[in-house]
Amino acid sequence: NAGVTQTPKFQVLKTGQSMTLQCAQDMNHEYMSWYRQDPGMGLRLIHYSVGAGITDQGEVPNGYNVSRSTTEDFPLRLLSAAPSQTSVYFCASSYSGGGYYGYTFGSGTRLTVV
Amino acid sequence: AQKVTQAQTEISVVEKEDVTLDCVYETRDTTYYLFWYKQPPSGELVFLIRRNSFDEQNEISGRYSWNFQKSTSSFNFTITASQVVDSAVYFCALSEALGDNNDMRFGAGTRLTVKP
Repeated sequence: NAGVTQTPKFQVLKTGQSMTLQCAQDMNHEYMSWYRQDPGMGLRLIHYSVGAGITDQGEVPNGYNVSRSTTEDFPLRLLSAAPSQTSVYFCASSYSGGGYYGYTFGSGTRLTVV
Repeated sequence: AQKVTQAQTEISVVEKEDVTLDCVYETRDTTYYLFWYKQPPSGELVFLIRRNSFDEQNEISGRYSWNFQKSTSSFNFTITASQVVDSAVYFCALSEALGDNNDMRFGAGTRLTVKP
């Protein structure tokens, strides 16, 4: 029972580098989202997807890209990393509308941009 | 837009004490959903409870209980006879039915430390 799998767990990037955070779920959930967690700010929505081929922006989308080519995978791309993107990133999935039923979260990726 | 306020940044109690974590929300919607999540020191987020706006009954699950009061826009969480394993950050969250159903808004979290 893998649930939501995120890789890597830890990453250090230099300013200006790009990278992709991977997220995969094996629960056949239609809804997937990316959140970032910063001290004192809770979790904030970056991007979300309501199904394969459909994505949209959340509260803090700048500097990030997403795509959803399959139901299972929802990668998050940092185009040109900045220190302000130092954060813990969580991928989440839900059978139908995370806002209705709540999400299953991955274990998180701790990203440091130097 | 909806908003969730957890005014208590940190709480420290001694084992076996009861503790209440406060959550106050703002929404213009009449149909909405409230959640509590637990984040233990290991970092994962664990779902605790979901409550819709039409169900104001209090809920009890073992040592955990939740008090939902629409009149005061609050959804408070009480741990009875706290244990060291309850030490974690607890998040309250809200989503609106008429809004984007993936836009779950989280409070800033309350860090609970239970000392032996």
